[in-house]
Amino acid sequence: DIKMTQSPSSLSASLGERVTISCRASENINNYLSWYQKKEDGSVKLLIYHTSRLQPGAPSRFSGSGSGKDYSLTISGLESEDIATYYCQQGYTPPTFGGGTKLELK
Amino acid sequence: QVQLKESGPGLVQPSQTLSLTCTVSGFSLTSNSVHWVRQPPGKGLEWVGAIWSGGSTDYNSALKSRLSISRDTSKSQVFLKMNSLQTEDTAIYFCTRRGQLRGFDYWGQGVMVTVSS
Repeated sequence: DIKMTQSPSSLSASLGERVTISCRASENINNYLSWYQKKEDGSVKLLIYHTSRLQPGAPSRFSGSGSGKDYSLTISGLESEDIATYYCQQGYTPPTFGGGTKLELK
Repeated sequence: QVQLKESGPGLVQPSQTLSLTCTVSGFSLTSNSVHWVRQPPGKGLEWVGAIWSGGSTDYNSALKSRLSISRDTSKSQVFLKMNSLQTEDTAIYFCTRRGQLRGFDYWGQGVMVTVSS
């Protein structure tokens, strides 16, 4: 199975700050990398798929980049509604997730 | 409008069998695969298994011996059955649809399953 290593595991940031979360796969995943937001209310939303494609309905302040084994999610200006836990996931079978990044307000 | 909704018992006794149903709307089970993902308390997301649009299945290798996923396309329902439940199976169980380019684009709200006597 492909192992996904996500960092940091937790992050404190201020409103308006630029935030970046990283994800590394144990092998080349050919851009089949998605990012999810999980809120305290339990809801899970797809933000980014195939490395950099913004899911319809996701705010444009979210962007993704990367290639090969290394990928990242960036929030260009943190808003209060972005407080959540973020997960990366690779698209080969079996799908595997990173360990999550808990984003908190500073 | 695409929707998925999980249903099932909230409490299951150890060694018993868990049965969950995912009822979908807004798409056909013969067009998209449906996956089960779970999250134990305080832990991350774990893929459980899938039923593909053609009806074949794949399972998490750690759960394969205890797990079965099936569907009824006429009712737009996907079923998860896991036997010999242990306390480590306590988790929120989500069903989700795989969309284009292998992202899970729609998720149910999840159902909390507690394994306890």
